[in-house]
Amino acid sequence: LAKTTQPISMDSYEGQEVNITCSHNNIATNDYITWYQQFPSQGPRFIIQGYKTKVTNEVASLFIPADRKSSTLSLPRVSLSDTAVYYCLVAPYNTDKLIFGTGTRLQVFP
Amino acid sequence: DAGITQSPRHKVTETGTPVTLRCHQTENHRYMYWYRQDPGHGLRLIHYSYGVKDTDKGEVSDGYSVSRSKTEDFLLTLESATSSQTSVYFCAISESYSRTGGYEQYFGPGTRLTVT
Repeated sequence: LAKTTQPISMDSYEGQEVNITCSHNNIATNDYITWYQQFPSQGPRFIIQGYKTKVTNEVASLFIPADRKSSTLSLPRVSLSDTAVYYCLVAPYNTDKLIFGTGTRLQVFP
Repeated sequence: DAGITQSPRHKVTETGTPVTLRCHQTENHRYMYWYRQDPGHGLRLIHYSYGVKDTDKGEVSDGYSVSRSKTEDFLLTLESATSSQTSVYFCAISESYSRTGGYEQYFGPGTRLTVT
């Protein structure tokens, strides 16, 4: 499984756009990039997944450059409720397990 | 939300006692997982199951055993609990492929275990 590197923590203010970048230099051809969100005292939940270019859903956007060696999770106009830990994972589409790192702790201030 | 329950939700036990945590799903998903989460370590995979009676080790399997006799239940056992096993334990489930063609796990609410 590809190793990922992401910032340990980030701070933001309500209403701002937040971009969290994840580095995955040894990503393989059949790897997907997935982001999870974890609120305090809860299990992680799936946010978004992509293979290349850009993916957008009702929660976030995921930008993946052509070389796929990094990816950026974009959260538009964050609110206090977006305070959470965000995990970037890289794994094959047919994997039977995921390896979570320590994630990025996002703190949103009023 | 995916139908995953964990029991108990909280447990305090003494060093050396056996402990069993239960994960129950109503989604009929093939894969089930046990993770532990500790400050500074993120989530670490303990064991997982890819079918009834089919299990495999994760990153931190020492001191833990698992069993899956039915699709819906995955048990995690600490044969002789130690203080280093004080943690929050999460169960997760998944199917082989997500709706987007990749891979997606659904997590339970967690069990907070304290070993004194």
